[in-house]
Amino acid sequence: DAGVTQSPTHLIKTRGQHVTLRCSPISGHKSVSWYQQVLGQGPQFIFQYYEKEERGRGNFPDRFSARQFPNYSSELNVNALLLGDSALYLCASSPRTGALRDTQYFGPGTRLTVL
Amino acid sequence: AQSVTQLGSHVSVSEGALVLLRCNYSSSVPPYLFWYVQYPNQGLQLLLKYTSAATLVKGINGFEAEFKKSETSFHLTKPSAHMSDAAEYFCAVTQGGGADGLTFGKGTHLIIQP
Repeated sequence: DAGVTQSPTHLIKTRGQHVTLRCSPISGHKSVSWYQQVLGQGPQFIFQYYEKEERGRGNFPDRFSARQFPNYSSELNVNALLLGDSALYLCASSPRTGALRDTQYFGPGTRLTVL
Repeated sequence: AQSVTQLGSHVSVSEGALVLLRCNYSSSVPPYLFWYVQYPNQGLQLLLKYTSAATLVKGINGFEAEFKKSETSFHLTKPSAHMSDAAEYFCAVTQGGGADGLTFGKGTHLIIQP
C-alpha cells in the first residue's frame, strides 16, 4: 500500500502570496494532521482533521487554515506568507481521531521557501 | 501543558558502541510517548511508542526505550550502533486527547564514527 503522499515536493513563494499544500492519507486512514518543521527544530502541530471536521489546532495564526475532503485527503492553506513561514510542512495520517496514541504515519513533506 | 526536552543536540558514537539518546517529558496526565527518526530530506518514521502497556518498549532496527515515571524520562537506546543509524531523532509526547497534537523535542542528531 502507498504511504502518505504530499504535493508539491518543493515550492517557492514570495511574501504576501498564498499557498496550498496537499496531502493524501494512507488508504483506510480517516485522520490527517499537519505539522510545521522549521530548519533545526522539531515539528510543531498545526491542525488535526477527522471526518472533515477540525479536531485539534496548534498555536498558529488565522492565516493558516485547512480542510479535509470526503475521500479524507486534506489541504493546508497559508495566506499572506511571511519569511518565517519557510519550513518543511509534514502531513501525517492515522486510523482514527482522539487517539493520538495511535501511530501517526508521516509523509515526506513539502519544502516551502518564502522569499 | 506538555513538553519534551532532548538533552544534546548532537551525539557522536563509534560504530558498534552503545547509543543513548535522552528524552525528558512534562505532562499533567499520563502521557503517550514516541520516538521518531528522520533521515535527510525525508519524513518521520516511527521507531517505537509507549502507551502504558509496558515500561520497556522495543522498536524497529534494534532500538528500545524505557519509560521511567519517577524520572519523567523516556531514553532511547541501541546496544550496537550501525552506520545506517546516522539520522535525526525526535522524542514526542501527547496526552492522547487529540486537541494538542504531538509535541516534539528539538531533536538529536546522531553521528556514527567509523
